[in-house]
Parts: sequence; structure tokens; C-alpha cells
Amino acid sequence: DTGVSQDPRHKITKRGQNVTFRCDPISEHNRLYWYRQTLGQGPEFLTYFQNEAQLEKSRLLSDRFSAERPKGSFSTLEIQRTEQGDSAMYLCAGEGDKTEQYFGPGTRLTVT
Amino acid sequence: QKEVEQNSGPLSVPEGAIASLNCTYSDRGSQSFFWYRQYSGKSPELIMFIYSNGDKEDGRFTAQLNKASQYVSLLIRDSQPSDSATYLCAVNLTPGSARQLTFGSGTQLTVLP
Repeated sequence: DTGVSQDPRHKITKRGQNVTFRCDPISEHNRLYWYRQTLGQGPEFLTYFQNEAQLEKSRLLSDRFSAERPKGSFSTLEIQRTEQGDSAMYLCAGEGDKTEQYFGPGTRLTVT
Repeated sequence: QKEVEQNSGPLSVPEGAIASLNCTYSDRGSQSFFWYRQYSGKSPELIMFIYSNGDKEDGRFTAQLNKASQYVSLLIRDSQPSDSATYLCAVNLTPGSARQLTFGSGTQLTVLP
């Protein structure tokens, strides 16, 4: 158990709806990452926070995606106007003083 | 050319054998290398990391890094059926302020009883 939790674990939504995912790292994780993984592929980086500051965003993160980490603890990832291509596993990872990233269980999104 | 490449497999080995998983990366300046294990339907689990050239051993796992050849490998000794999973190689391709990992597509390993 990495101590990183994600909620919900599964989400089914209709195309065009908005969805929000939450990640709770452990207190030692001052850095927090969001990745997306589709079937048969490795995780792809989406965005990264150092405490509450969002320091890096991937080109994959379209304008429909937004992420926050308001108090440097939990983080949320929102997808607006979901599309079928957004169906994937959304993974959150925490990182402390060392450079190792530990993943939560993920949120599996299905857009119908 | 993909930035992190792995043989997709599938790789099958008999129980008790050594499984060898390979990974190459594109950026010669990369400094941090990780192996994750991912069971079907689960999230990746960090099993090994290596930063310096040479070998690093942890139980039945050995990570090997050759920066000159831009090559990192994972050896699993005395393979067990419970080792059957997809193994993901991950590299910090741009050390410094950008800390995200770039993953390969994974190698699917099956250990046959």
C-alpha cells in the first residue's frame, strides 16, 4: 500500500458530461503527478504539482482538462465535455524527497 | 523513434528460470530509471530504481544500467507464477525541473508452472 488513494475507482459517464477525480497522497508527498493510461500502453504524463503550484503540463492536457491542488495536499482532475477518447485509467502518483513516484489505485473512466 | 522502448513480448519463462526484461531510452542525459510491475486491472507498483551504472540487487530482482549504451534491464531470478505481470520501464528523460516519467509500453511476462 503506497498510501495514495483515489476516488472514485470507477466512473461511467455519458459523452459531454463533466467528471472530477480526486487524489489524496500522503503528507510526505510534496510532489504530485497525474498520468493517463490506455490499454496496452504505459502511463502518459499529464501534469505535475510541487506543493500547490502546477509546474508542468503535457500537450496531452487539452483545454477541457484542469487540475488543482489548492492546499498542497489532495488534488483534483476535472474533465469537461467528456469525449469517448477520454476513456482511460487516470493515475495519480506521489513523490517525496526522493525521486521515486508511488501510484494510487487509479480511476477507470468509461465514456459512453 | 519512441523515447523509451521495450520488447512488448509476451515473454514466457518456466518457473524457477531467470526472466530478462530489456529497455532502451533516447536521451543520453537521463539519470533516473525505474521498473514498475503492473498486474492486470491494477495500477503500477514500483519494484526497482537505479541511478548509477552497474547492477543493483534487491531480493530476486536485479536492475542493470549501462548509460553509454542507453540500456537498462531487469532480471528476475527464480521466477514464480506470481511474477506474471506487465513490467514497465520508466525514465526521467529530462532531469532538473521537469520530473515526469516517460514509460515504455511494457513487457508482458508469463511464468509457467
